[in-house]
Amino acid sequence: EPEVTQTPSHQVTQMGQEVILRCVPISNHLYFYWYRQILGQKVEFLVSFYNNEISEKSEIFDDQFSVERPDGSNFTLKIRSTKLEDSAMYFCASRTGLAYAKNIQYFGAGTRLSVL
Amino acid sequence: EDQVTQSPEALRLQEGESSSLNCSYTVSGLRGLFWYRQDPGKGPEFLFTLYSAGEEKEKERLKATLTKKESFLHITAPKPEDSATYLCAVPLINAGGTSYGKLTFGQGTILTVHP
Repeated sequence: EPEVTQTPSHQVTQMGQEVILRCVPISNHLYFYWYRQILGQKVEFLVSFYNNEISEKSEIFDDQFSVERPDGSNFTLKIRSTKLEDSAMYFCASRTGLAYAKNIQYFGAGTRLSVL
Repeated sequence: EDQVTQSPEALRLQEGESSSLNCSYTVSGLRGLFWYRQDPGKGPEFLFTLYSAGEEKEKERLKATLTKKESFLHITAPKPEDSATYLCAVPLINAGGTSYGKLTFGQGTILTVHP
């Protein structure tokens, strides 16, 4: 069964360093998302991406964050200068956008980012 | 303000003891309600989507129902492997009236089923 794949599963970094979280969405999907979940809190929307551009972003997604789909299969989230409060699980999700699929988003297993 | 609230926060059941989880929402123009299961350290796993009041979906021991203000996830004769956090989510429409599928989640119900 197709699945969303995220790497690495765990990333440890020093405050101020840049990190890139990687995702391979399901192959025929057209809409891509990043969410994050701080330990013990709700899953929060960060950004949506469609047709090679950001379609929507949350207040959390400031200038320190960027997304890219560099090669038609990968979808990346970059944090330029990490802060302690960026420590969280980051989930990538994707959906087809086709009516029959009823807008169901499929999530990856997540990357746990620990900022020291 | 659009909100999704789940109750209870935690539920402990004995194996075989049926119960229900609640998800109440206040959103304008509901475009579906989604139930996900999340195991510790894992991503949300899709369970059901409901679109209109009165709709019901079933999968094994789980049944999801939808009214105009809330959804219930009924668990019949649960087993220990049903232990997980159950998340409810709705897609939001932005100020321009469009939706790119951004989901807003409730805080989840942590279900523990004891053998």
